[in-house]
Amino acid sequence: NAGVTQTPKFRILKIGQSMTLQCAQDMNHNYMYWYRQDPGMGLKLIYYSVGAGITDKGEVPNGYNVSRSTTEDFPLRLELAAPSQTSVYFCASRSSNTGELFFGEGSRLTVL
Amino acid sequence: QQQVKQSPQSLIVQKGGISIINCAYENTAFDYFPWYQQFPGKGPALLIAIRPDVSEKKEGRFTISFNKSAKQFSLHIMDSQPGDSATYFCAASTGSGNTGKLIFGQGTTLQVKP
Repeated sequence: NAGVTQTPKFRILKIGQSMTLQCAQDMNHNYMYWYRQDPGMGLKLIYYSVGAGITDKGEVPNGYNVSRSTTEDFPLRLELAAPSQTSVYFCASRSSNTGELFFGEGSRLTVL
Repeated sequence: QQQVKQSPQSLIVQKGGISIINCAYENTAFDYFPWYQQFPGKGPALLIAIRPDVSEKKEGRFTISFNKSAKQFSLHIMDSQPGDSATYFCAASTGSGNTGKLIFGQGTTLQVKP
């Protein structure tokens, strides 16, 4: 059982470049989330989705976009990378039975 | 009002000692309070959670104490072990956690010395 899988694990971008962080879950969870983790700041919610075709903004959505065409996949798009987007990004899905969030192993992004 | 404030930022405990991490919140609508544990290079994983209808919840060596009137909750790790060395996050949400939109504290890095 793979759980939540994120790719890539590491990426270096130049300012202004674009990229997509991929996230897939095999637990048939409806709810999925993208968080970013910065030192001393905890985790901040970027976007979330309550099911295929439905997404909504979290605390820090600026500079990001998401889509949810299937239950399994929830990609995060950075259109014009900025140094402020240097962070570790975590995707998570939520069990409707227990409320527990299951996190991927993270994607470390550096923007230079 | 959406913040969850966590302290200390870092903690060093001797093996066998008690580790205590504290969190405070302002939003009285919060009704679900989980703790997540994160090892280096991994994503956070649920450790233990509590709802405000109880004042304490214990699972093995891990205990959450909850003080609704003070709007505070804490994690106690009894008989701390080197394997407990990790970063711990408190969190809170409304709707009994059903939305999963957790507000996280800043995190506490725990080091347990052998």
